[in-house]
Amino acid sequence: AQSVTQLGSHVSVSEGALVLLRCNYSSSVPPYLFWYVQYPNQGLQLLLKYTSAATLVKGINGFEAEFKKSETSFHLTKPSAHMRDAAEYFCAVSGNQGGKLIFGQGTELSVKP
Amino acid sequence: GAVVSQHPSRVICKSGTSVKIECRSLDFQATTMFWYRQFPKKSLMLMATSNEGSKATYEQGVEKDKFLINHASLTLSTLTVTSAHPEDSSFYICSAIAGVAEKTQYFGPGTRLLVL
Repeated sequence: AQSVTQLGSHVSVSEGALVLLRCNYSSSVPPYLFWYVQYPNQGLQLLLKYTSAATLVKGINGFEAEFKKSETSFHLTKPSAHMRDAAEYFCAVSGNQGGKLIFGQGTELSVKP
Repeated sequence: GAVVSQHPSRVICKSGTSVKIECRSLDFQATTMFWYRQFPKKSLMLMATSNEGSKATYEQGVEKDKFLINHASLTLSTLTVTSAHPEDSSFYICSAIAGVAEKTQYFGPGTRLLVL
């Protein structure tokens, strides 16, 4: 079985500050891991993905994530937050069954001016 | 690349009527499409997995006679909410993957359904 836990349903940072969104996973097979962003009333946009290549993955909009097998983590970071980064962020792991994704509960990121 | 569209983006209907939502992969062939439902401030709930040319696989608790899914071509899947009721009001999102070995899902922009 696979599962994803996102620590913190809401994270607030100041503009220019470091963004850290936490994601821990559980998987019985080598996982494929994803971070998606969702802006209000929109679908999900792929930020980045880990597919068993480099453990440090760079994505769009300055985000990156590091796969740490020993910690079963895939935390999302960005050195300097922008107001436009305010959105809902979802971590997901690919299941064993035909491409299904298991999603975390989501983390709402707020950015204060 | 990897663009998925949905139509309509927003629909309001009367209770008891049926509503069809289309999901299209615009620049790739989607062997598999997924339909999700999302409640306010909540994560996505997978409703069903749709493979081109075969019957959809529904998640536990999802009524297949109420949520009819058709995946007639490699670029189009449709979700029909039959005899809609106010409790069916929600945000419906589709996604698509290209190829059996592919793991990355690309999502549509979503459809907001309001049943009066």
